[in-house]
Amino acid sequence: NAGVTQTPKFQVLKTGQSMTLQCAQDMNHEYMSWYRQDPGMGLRLIHYSVGAGITDQGEVPNGYNVSRSTTEDFPLRLLSAAPSQTSVYFCASSYSHGDTGELFFGEGSRLTVL
Amino acid sequence: GEDVEQSLFLSVREGDSSVINCTYTDSSSTYLYWYKQEPGAGLQLLTYIFSNMDMKQDQRLTVLLNKKDKHLSLRIADTQTGDSAIYFCAESVPGYSTLTFGKGTMLLVSP
Repeated sequence: NAGVTQTPKFQVLKTGQSMTLQCAQDMNHEYMSWYRQDPGMGLRLIHYSVGAGITDQGEVPNGYNVSRSTTEDFPLRLLSAAPSQTSVYFCASSYSHGDTGELFFGEGSRLTVL
Repeated sequence: GEDVEQSLFLSVREGDSSVINCTYTDSSSTYLYWYKQEPGAGLQLLTYIFSNMDMKQDQRLTVLLNKKDKHLSLRIADTQTGDSAIYFCAESVPGYSTLTFGKGTMLLVSP
């Protein structure tokens, strides 16, 4: 099993550019989510989805869009990149939220916005 | 979940025991977790404990839960240099959309 796959691993953008971070999982997980990790801030939830066609905002959703057209994929779109979006982004999935709620994480995508 | 607090840094010598502490505020937590993040990688689940348990042991790992004080600890016996990583405490609260993570404790193991 590949688990949770994120692409790209590294990206440099200029302010105002847009891009999409891809996330795919092959575990048939219903729950998928995006976090950003910043020094001293821990992990903060951006958006999440509890199933295909259903998405919701997390703690820091501004400047990001998501969609969930299939169970497997959960792309994160940066609409107009800003230096404050420089971060490491993690996609995570789980069979269901609640109960043991084990999250499976991707390897991360390191984004720098100049 | 609300706040999950951890100390930011711990340094130990190889072979010693490490104890990483965590406090949380939401008394309705159902599960509490320890995740490990190695450099350049995502988080991986190390172990978890159900909120009605006091202790869980898994090889070199011992998790202690004091529900009255809302205190969780992770003890790593015979710590190795390969245990150097960031350790995150997290809680699962019914009705919340995600786990609530602490900011992580960086464990540095020196030879």
